[in-house]
Amino acid sequence: DQQVKQNSPSLSVQEGRISILNCDYTNSMFDYFLWYKKYPAEGPTFLISISSIKDKNEDGRFTVFLNKSAKHLSLHIVPSQPGDSAVYFCAARSQETSGSRLTFGEGTQLTVNP
Amino acid sequence: NAGVTQTPKFQVLKTGQSMTLQCAQDMNHNSMYWYRQDPGMGLRLIYYSASEGTTDKGEVPNGYNVSRLNKREFSLRLESAAPSQTSVYFCASSRNRWSGGNTIYFGEGSWLTVV
Repeated sequence: DQQVKQNSPSLSVQEGRISILNCDYTNSMFDYFLWYKKYPAEGPTFLISISSIKDKNEDGRFTVFLNKSAKHLSLHIVPSQPGDSAVYFCAARSQETSGSRLTFGEGTQLTVNP
Repeated sequence: NAGVTQTPKFQVLKTGQSMTLQCAQDMNHNSMYWYRQDPGMGLRLIYYSASEGTTDKGEVPNGYNVSRLNKREFSLRLESAAPSQTSVYFCASSRNRWSGGNTIYFGEGSWLTVV
């Protein structure tokens, strides 16, 4: 039962253009959503998050949008840079669980071409 | 500033062998986690420890055991390794209280191959 799903295994964009990574979820008890970025041979690192009471959160070039009715969130990167090439994981926290237990999606490999 | 440190980084095991992955954090976090990452599966929680002295199963606990040795250290043991346990293992830690945002810090990963 995949509660957090990233349907695109990979995405390729040109430098300077917008990258849009998508994530869908099924659990209505999720109250917080996060995006993590992972380079090869490194652990995931936190990128940006959004509470379920908001529909948008922005941090520099990164913006996360949440559509609760559609159970969908997206990460926008503008402008995209070659250094953004990495695997991006969507993650969610459920109100039913304690602490910081997160459920992760499968990941999307973003490649930004110079 | 070490953060979360895992050892070993690479290991090859024969089927049936046992081994322990070690993890330590220096951020005074109360909660610690073990995840595995497999192609097309994302990160899946194996076990977690909400605080020193407690451990709980995650999504995929079968074939693993854990020990929360003290507040800093959380080890993952494979008693009888199987090829299905070939994966990349990540240890992580977080503050005890949920505060949203940047809550989980990951180690660099341990690549385990079972032949």
